[in-house]
Amino acid sequence: KNEVEQSPQNLTAQEGEFITINCSYSVGISALHWLQQHPGGGIVSLFMLSSGKKKHGRLIATINIQEKHSSLHITASHPRDSAVYICAAHSGGSNYKLTFGKGTLLTVNP
Amino acid sequence: DGGITQSPKYLFRKEGQNVTLSCEQNLNHDAMYWYRQDPGQGLRLIYYSQIVNDFQKGDIAEGYSVSREKKESFPLTVTSAQKNPTAFYLCASSIQRHEQFFGPGTRLTVL
Repeated sequence: KNEVEQSPQNLTAQEGEFITINCSYSVGISALHWLQQHPGGGIVSLFMLSSGKKKHGRLIATINIQEKHSSLHITASHPRDSAVYICAAHSGGSNYKLTFGKGTLLTVNP
Repeated sequence: DGGITQSPKYLFRKEGQNVTLSCEQNLNHDAMYWYRQDPGQGLRLIYYSQIVNDFQKGDIAEGYSVSREKKESFPLTVTSAQKNPTAFYLCASSIQRHEQFFGPGTRLTVL
């Protein structure tokens, strides 16, 4: 069983809709990452957070340490937001090993 | 521009051949990582290096080897011992314990 679980696996939305992707983890963590992977394969880091909430443009990431849960929200979604969104957890320790979720495939239709 | 480069983007090899994937970064990061991505699975760590001339096995190191002779470079060799080498390979780097920056990836197909 993967220690990091994402839901949903696939998500289809219409342009302009509010999107939420969820991430739950079963281990204690020191930080959680949200990443974006486009069809070409390259990965971009969106957020790294260990508490509270972060916002960048139309993207918002929140984390609840007690509930071991994080969400990524996209406001006013656009077709260019179509990508795979991946959450990854760092459990701490002397190395910087990440445990990755399997990703959520988001498709935003015009 | 600072970043991570991986070459080539697509690589084809015959079964039984060793192949080396390149990863270079000019971000002055100490730590570098190699991940493998298969359809329907999360990224899995192959090897990582926190400092020059030192590296550690990740979760799926069997059939792979690495070197870290320079801070900027962390090549990955996929050996003939790797049972199922066809996959998408991603390299990343970071300042210790900070967010990781990823390269564009190399898609390896073994024929």
